Amino acid sequence: GAVVSQHPSRVICKSGTSVKIECRSLDFQATTMFWYRQFPKQSLMLMATSNEGSKATYEQGVEKDKFLINHASLTLSTLTVTSAHPEDSSFYICSATGASPTNYGYTFGSGTRLTVV
Amino acid sequence: DAKTTQPPSMDCAEGRAANLPCNHSTISGNEYVYWYRQIHSQGPQYIIHGLKNNETNEMASLIITEDRKSSTLILPHATLRDTAVYYCIVRVATLDDKIIFGKGTRLHILP
Repeated sequence: GAVVSQHPSRVICKSGTSVKIECRSLDFQATTMFWYRQFPKQSLMLMATSNEGSKATYEQGVEKDKFLINHASLTLSTLTVTSAHPEDSSFYICSATGASPTNYGYTFGSGTRLTVV
Repeated sequence: DAKTTQPPSMDCAEGRAANLPCNHSTISGNEYVYWYRQIHSQGPQYIIHGLKNNETNEMASLIITEDRKSSTLILPHATLRDTAVYYCIVRVATLDDKIIFGKGTRLHILP
């Protein structure tokens, strides 16, 4: 089946530094990838949509200069949290489409737990 | 905003059928009903989807009312591993249509 690999699974960084999270489609070409964040006991909140070779589309209220998204290939999208602060600590999840027609290819990564200290 | 309404939580005894309801009274003719679940600290997992007919796969059954305004996800023999948050989502089944998550139902399977 379609697999989306997300790395790292956990990361701790110091306040003011940047962190990069990778999302890879392992056995299919992902034409579109989505990035979500999730705070404890809350639902997933869509941050942005990225299409290969074009600029990401950010949801209202999401700072595009803080959350840099790059979708340089059909199998890789990256989310970089720049100048991270403790309030950026969250669970970040990516998903990718372009795979199985059965469920129209919505496969999710396993998530990255970011802790900013 | 999410287009669905689900109870915030439900309990089900292990081995019994878990029936999770979802209201989607404003669903459009070309929108499908999708169900995902999220086990603690993991990414969401696809369960099943349907348009208007009832559907069954190895994980669950999906019952959609004739007017398509509501549906029920059935886990026939719930196990402790089914403890998760279940999300009911309506969306057009295209590759680039984004998924907007509501609050879902937190299902507790009781031993």
